[in-house]
Amino acid sequence: GAGVSQSPRYKVAKRGRDVALRCDSISGHVTLYWYRQTLGQGSEVLTYSQSDAQRDKSGRPSGRFSAERPERSVSTLKIQRTEQGDSAVYLCASRTGDSSYNEQFFGPGTRLTVL
Amino acid sequence: GNSVTQMEGPVTLSEEAFLTINCTYTATGYPSLFWYVQYPGEGLQLLLKATKADDKGSNKGFEATYRKETTSFHLEKGSVQVSDSAVYFCALIKAAGNKLTFGGGTRVLVKP
Repeated sequence: GAGVSQSPRYKVAKRGRDVALRCDSISGHVTLYWYRQTLGQGSEVLTYSQSDAQRDKSGRPSGRFSAERPERSVSTLKIQRTEQGDSAVYLCASRTGDSSYNEQFFGPGTRLTVL
Repeated sequence: GNSVTQMEGPVTLSEEAFLTINCTYTATGYPSLFWYVQYPGEGLQLLLKATKADDKGSNKGFEATYRKETTSFHLEKGSVQVSDSAVYFCALIKAAGNKLTFGGGTRVLVKP
């Protein structure tokens, strides 16, 4: 079956512009994460959201980063007023909701370069 | 806070050589530990995991043992192949949380 997909795979943005990155998670997965990966410095979680038929809990980071979940298996990470330090690979991951230790399935990432 | 430290790469090996990638962690309580692998052009894939002290995770010839006394989770493989060339990430999840904390990644290049 289809795994987690992300688009675009590569994005170049001028400093100060807004960007939007898309993630299509695995159908049926409840929790969706966005990570920022910088090789050599590890990865940090930016936000996560849990959704089921009754509610949608979104972890919204403060500042310029926000995530929306227009559909249960779709998330959009928005970065406002991009800075050069935002250049990184942005990874999306999803998992089922049964346990915190359930495997997270990752997409291939979007490499963002801010000029 | 939680943190994961792993050896910097790149690590360059010949085929059939022994591979070790060191990983140590800092966390309160009893985290679960993971190794993820990222092949060129692909997303992160779970390689193996261990959820409690002295557990050994294994997959595809790779092994790692959860050592609480040394807060380590070193990855080993006895005989690497060219297809093992990838970036390897050590990670943890705290008992009460659900967000992975990753190390910086170690790039491994296996030459024929």
